[in-house]
Amino acid sequence: DAKTTQPPSMDCAEGRAANLPCNHSTISGNEYVYWYRQIHSQGPQYIIHGLKNNETNEMASLIITEDRKSSTLILPHATLRDTAVYYCIVRVNFGNEKLTFGTGTRLTIIP
Amino acid sequence: DAGITQSPRHKVTETGTPVTLRCHQTENHRYMYWYRQDPGHGLRLIHYSYGVKDTDKGEVSDGYSVSRSKTEDFLLTLESATSSQTSVYFCAIRRGTGLPDIQYFGAGTRLSVL
Repeated sequence: DAKTTQPPSMDCAEGRAANLPCNHSTISGNEYVYWYRQIHSQGPQYIIHGLKNNETNEMASLIITEDRKSSTLILPHATLRDTAVYYCIVRVNFGNEKLTFGTGTRLTIIP
Repeated sequence: DAGITQSPRHKVTETGTPVTLRCHQTENHRYMYWYRQDPGHGLRLIHYSYGVKDTDKGEVSDGYSVSRSKTEDFLLTLESATSSQTSVYFCAIRRGTGLPDIQYFGAGTRLSVL
């Protein structure tokens, strides 16, 4: 799996969009980008994934650059409940059952 | 909610005693996983299962065994618990066997080995 780099921490004001960057410059053509988050003391929660195109679901949007070397997770209207550690994971879809969580970004939503 | 229940949620035990953690799912998924999470190490895969009686090792399988005698239950056993096995243990399932390959996690079991 490709290595990912995320800022260790970020703050965002409540109600504003939270933009979380991830660098994955060594990504290969068959590797997907996944985002998970972990709210304190809870199990990791899947947010969104993508391969090449931008994706949106009810939780967030994922913007992947054209060269696929970086991506941004966007939480459009952050709430206090979005305070969590966010993990960007890059992996092939099959032949590798392990999800490798790095250190992630600790996002704090400020009231 | 992916229909995953882990039990117990908290356990304190003594070194050398056997411990079994249970992961129960209600949605009949084929793939199930056990991870442990420790400060400074993130989540690490212990074992996983791809069907009844079909299991394989992850990256930190030493000291752990698993069993899957029916689809809904995946058991993790510490045959003789050690203090280094103090951790938070998460069970996960994969919905389906095709794309996308997304894992959903349970609430975790916090295990302390004294």
